Amino acid sequence: EIVMTQSPATLSVSPGERATLSCRASQSVSSNLAWYQQKPGQAPRLLIYGASTRATGMPARFSGSGSGTEFTLTISSLQSEDFAVYYCQQYNDWPPFTFGGGTKVEIK
Amino acid sequence: EVQLVESGGVLGQPGGSLGLSCAASGFTFSNYVMNWVRQAPGKGLEWVSTIGTTVGNTYYADSVKGRFTISRDNSRNTLYLQMNSLRADDTAVYYCARYSVFPLPMRYFDSWGQGTLVTVSS
Repeated sequence: EIVMTQSPATLSVSPGERATLSCRASQSVSSNLAWYQQKPGQAPRLLIYGASTRATGMPARFSGSGSGTEFTLTISSLQSEDFAVYYCQQYNDWPPFTFGGGTKVEIK
Repeated sequence: EVQLVESGGVLGQPGGSLGLSCAASGFTFSNYVMNWVRQAPGKGLEWVSTIGTTVGNTYYADSVKGRFTISRDNSRNTLYLQMNSLRADDTAVYYCARYSVFPLPMRYFDSWGQGTLVTVSS
């Protein structure tokens, strides 16, 4: 089973600042990596797939990078609606599909 | 508009059974692989089960294998999860989610339901 590790667990950022979230896989997942955003009381929403392709309707301030075992989600200028929990998920080697533990982006 | 609407979440007894449903609309249900993903209170996401576009191929997390059964009815555009031998650690919000396999499998979950809460407690 591929273990996904996200860091940091919590990221405190001021509105308008840049946020950088990390996701590491225990073995290579190529570019088969997705990011999801989850707000309190809501279902997760697909943000990024293929490590770097934004899902339909996702703002350009969200970008993904990386391949193999190291991945990054960058939010270039945080808006109030971006404060949420972000999860990475590998879909290279399944079952099982595995998720990271999440990074909570909170207002500083 | 794509819609996935889960139902069936209630209070269940340890050792008991529950059944969940997910009604799909706004897309060709039979063209999508369907999945259940759960989230325990205050915790992260855990994949539970996957069923292929036809009923033949099913997959389960080790934590539910032998206790849960995923199924689908393409004529009713509905996904199911039968949960037996319930345990306290099955307590979670259960989401149904889809991924596309045309023209190639794209195994990220591009649409999710709003979730249904299952609580297992005596």
